[in-house]
Amino acid sequence: SAVISQKPSRDICQRGTSLTIQCQVDSQVTMMFWYRQQPGQSLTLIATANQGSEATYESGFVIDKFPISRPNLTFSTLTVSNMSPEDSSIYLCSVPGGAVQETQYFGPGTRLLVL
Amino acid sequence: AQSVSQHNHHVILSEAASLELGCNYSYGGTVNLFWYVQYPGQHLQLLLKYFSGDPLVKGIKGFEAEFIKSKFSFNLRKPSVQWSDTAEYFCAVNANSGGYQKVTFGTGTKLQVIP
Repeated sequence: SAVISQKPSRDICQRGTSLTIQCQVDSQVTMMFWYRQQPGQSLTLIATANQGSEATYESGFVIDKFPISRPNLTFSTLTVSNMSPEDSSIYLCSVPGGAVQETQYFGPGTRLLVL
Repeated sequence: AQSVSQHNHHVILSEAASLELGCNYSYGGTVNLFWYVQYPGQHLQLLLKYFSGDPLVKGIKGFEAEFIKSKFSFNLRKPSVQWSDTAEYFCAVNANSGGYQKVTFGTGTKLQVIP
């Protein structure tokens, strides 16, 4: 299994500012995923980050709002830009795992509150 | 597009009671099905999964789930819950078409077990 850490674990931010969340994995992985979990809602995939190429964003998410970096096979960042209270959420990164990459290992999440 | 619905948002049980959490999915093809669990203060982790074969799958900590294709269901069960089972449970599905496919999560069920 993969061990994933995220920084920061939580933050309180003012609207209009940006926050960059870091995700570190203890092994090399091709794909990393970023999810959002809004209060009372399901985990929603924001984007898939492959090393060496641009991230692939899901419907409803755009690069200008959620720029992603993937500089190497163990690290990724997600920036939440120009934040509003609606961005208050838990942000999680994950990586595929299992014999045929069928499951996912999740980080602890970053709890963000935007005032 | 695939979707997952979990019928119970919050379940409260006494210790030793039996548990069944409902999960229905919508997708016309072959699917992989999962239950993930998030214990308080911990990472989201895999509880059990179904790919093929015996539709009754067993996971960690005495949990099991039954895949009923005709009902598009994958309900989670445990005959006798413990206080330590207090957690949030997420049903998830992805299309079984080889390689990694996007996973869709349900909205989660919070289980509270009273000693």
